[in-house]
Amino acid sequence: DGGITQSPKYLFRKEGQNVTLSCEQNLNHDAMYWYRQDPGQGLRLIYYSQIVNDFQKGDIAEGYSVSREKKESFPLTVTSAQKNPTAFYLCASSPTGYTGELFFGEGSRLTVL
Amino acid sequence: EDKVVQSPLSLVVHEGDTVTLNCSYEVTNFRSLLWYKQEKKAPTFLFMLTSSGIEKKSGRLSSILDKKELFSILNITATQTGDSAIYLCAVIQGAQKLVFGQGTRLTINP
Repeated sequence: DGGITQSPKYLFRKEGQNVTLSCEQNLNHDAMYWYRQDPGQGLRLIYYSQIVNDFQKGDIAEGYSVSREKKESFPLTVTSAQKNPTAFYLCASSPTGYTGELFFGEGSRLTVL
Repeated sequence: EDKVVQSPLSLVVHEGDTVTLNCSYEVTNFRSLLWYKQEKKAPTFLFMLTSSGIEKKSGRLSSILDKKELFSILNITATQTGDSAIYLCAVIQGAQKLVFGQGTRLTINP
């Protein structure tokens, strides 16, 4: 089945450690996105990529890094520079130029102890 | 600065009530507005609105966009406990970037 797979679903890390969240899609979509959601809040854009080997910062990119070496993969690294990394992270994709809905993964919940 | 503002942030009603959720926006190069429902994890798509004044309807849910006043509303009639969720409004602007509102947490009590 076509879709977006995020892993891991739950992740616990100690302060000061970098963690990488995986996002893979087999929808053949050009554009991919990472959002962060804090309890009781909406989604805030971290990074997005509209084409392989290119990506742009969103509204809250500080302390995060991404890569887009393959069309189907857009991993997010939460670095130790991110001051408050505990959150729910959602990956999404869409075909470029299509002003329709985003397709979301099931999310990854990161807890930093 | 581009922004999308939803109100109320939280709403508690009884089953059978009708609710109206609001979304106002100020973004450059507006393309369309989306509504999502988020129950536990991934948001699920409800509506996409591009033109003013044309109501989109799906069962007990309906939505409309006013591009002159820069807002949209989402109506839910005869609410059920299964409607309890966070409702997210998002605006697509320019180069396919989505800007989300804070969400409205709707709780339907039996």
